[in-house]
Amino acid sequence: RKEVEQDPGPFNVPEGATVAFNCTYSNSASQSFFWYRQDCRKEPKLLMSVYSSGNEDGRFTAQLNRASQYISLLIRDSKLSDSATYLCVALTGGFKTIFGAGTRLFVKA
Amino acid sequence: NAGVTQTPKFQVLKTGQSMTLQCAQDMNHEYMSWYRQDPGMGLRLIHYSVGAGITDQGEVPNGYNVSRSTTEDFPLRLLSAAPSQTSVYFCASRHSGEQYFGPGTRLTVT
Repeated sequence: RKEVEQDPGPFNVPEGATVAFNCTYSNSASQSFFWYRQDCRKEPKLLMSVYSSGNEDGRFTAQLNRASQYISLLIRDSKLSDSATYLCVALTGGFKTIFGAGTRLFVKA
Repeated sequence: NAGVTQTPKFQVLKTGQSMTLQCAQDMNHEYMSWYRQDPGMGLRLIHYSVGAGITDQGEVPNGYNVSRSTTEDFPLRLLSAAPSQTSVYFCASRHSGEQYFGPGTRLTVT
């Protein structure tokens, strides 16, 4: 079983739609979580950190449920430019960073 | 501020050849790491370093060596290339949880 699991998608949504991605992690010692975005044939870039209380950055909302070992990312009012792969990341012990395989999103006009 | 740089961008090797992938960062980050990315597998950690002179293995270290003689540089050596090492390799440095990635090296081993 992978330490961080994501639905690979792809998610195909129209512009303006709301879309949610889920991620589960198996190591209960993981202490920090992040969402990264990766465009085709490019390097990953940090989208946002995920805090226990939930956090929002514009159209993006991230949630963490430590009891269920579950992380989510909600994108509201999807734009064409949101088309990318979204990577869920767990950091354990301060050093070990584990990436999920990613969820592909296609936003269509 | 160049961030994280990697060379080469593309490389083709024959089975059994060795080579070094270069990685450098100018942000004075202590933590650096190497990943490989394969379709459907996501990024997998090969080796990481928490500072000059200190390295450790990640999830998939076999067939790779690293060293960290300076804060800036973290080269990855392929000792004897195999077709299974065909992949995209990313180097990253980290500060306060956020990782900064280089543009990647696309390696093909024939």
